Formats: sequence, structure tokens, C-alpha cells
Amino acid sequence: DAKTTQPPSMDCAEGRAANLPCNHSTISGNEYVYWYRQIHSQGPQYIIHGLKNNETNEMASLIITEDRKSSTLILPHATLRDTAVYYCIVSTTQGGSEKLVFGKGTKLTVNP
Amino acid sequence: ETGVTQTPRHLVMGMTNKKSLKCEQHLGHNAMYWYKQSAKKPLELMFVYSLEERVENNSVPSRFSPECPNSSHLFLHLHTLQPEDSALYLCASSRDRGFAGNTIYFGEGSWLTVV
Repeated sequence: DAKTTQPPSMDCAEGRAANLPCNHSTISGNEYVYWYRQIHSQGPQYIIHGLKNNETNEMASLIITEDRKSSTLILPHATLRDTAVYYCIVSTTQGGSEKLVFGKGTKLTVNP
Repeated sequence: ETGVTQTPRHLVMGMTNKKSLKCEQHLGHNAMYWYKQSAKKPLELMFVYSLEERVENNSVPSRFSPECPNSSHLFLHLHTLQPEDSALYLCASSRDRGFAGNTIYFGEGSWLTVV
């Protein structure tokens, strides 16, 4: 099972910031938080990942709380092309192997 | 363009056919993966290869047979599939198997329809 909890859906106005929350209360000290997104009919696209510090790249910013139990992905100026399912993922160990387990994600709809 | 290329993008096959999905990565990675995504279900990890050796098989039926001839290529051989095997099959690669900051890059996927 996925170790994260996300709202099933969110809406955002075009040009506004989209803030996508994620809870990962059981995260361990050495586990990273990853964000991917999947546009319909395409493979998941890597967005960003982080451990403790906030991270920023050309696509988004990742804000991780000090206790690391939750995080927020920020798309600073959402466009219609950002409409997708966004997955927040923490690695998990199953059967002795470490792996990324995808949950159901948040379906973000950017409206004109 | 993620550096992971999958062919074909779409495949329709009968239940008695034998077909193969191909994946090639141009990233110099050592680990490659097959995932399955059925309608309205989360991605499911099927197989993991590290340095051309299969290191994980997540209880996948034998009608799916992976092959990794070198670190850049991964195949999924399909035979006697069932209609419920219709799904999006995704190939991915990463520098290493471990996930301490390791990033997985996905291909665009192969849409498989079994009739």
C-alpha cells in the first residue's frame, strides 16, 4: 500500500498557484518524498523530490514540513497543460526490496 | 522526451498470439522496470532488473516473460494473454535500484488491448 494520503481532486484557476498537499505521517528519516504527474494516456513524468529541505526546480517547488509528516507541491503559475494526476510517493520496503508505490494521486484540473 | 523509449505505442493482439513490447533507455542507467496500469487502478510494479539481472518478480503470471539482454534494453514477451491483461504497460529506468534520492524515469507506455 502507498504510504501517502492525497485529496482525490483539486481545481485551480489558470495563472494562479496550485498547491497540492500530501500527508506521509509514517515516513522514515532516510526516505525521500517524490512527486510525479501523469497526463492522460502518457507515462508518469518526474517533477521533483526532497528529503528534508525545501526544493525548487524549473517545474515546481516542494515544501516539506519540519516534522516531515506532510509536504506541498507548488506549481507557481498553473497552465491548462498542468491538468494531470499528481502522485506524491514515499519509498516503501516490501519483501525486502525498496520500491516506489503509487497511490491514486490527486487529479488537478486547471480551469481557464 | 525522458530518454526512455517504448515500442509499439499501441498493440492489439488475440489471446493466442505471441507479441513483445520493447523498451530502450538512453540514460546510462543500471536498473530497468516494467509497470502495469489498468483502468482506474494505481501503477503496479511487475519486474525489476538491475545490471541485466532480474531482481524482482511481483507475482506476475508466467504469460508475461521479461528479458533484459543488456542494460539499455528491456523486453516484455507476451503469450496467451487474457482480455483482463489489457492495460498500459510502462517501462522505466533509474541509475540504481535503491531509492535514496534515486529518480525513476518512465517511457510513454505501450497500450495493450487483448481481444
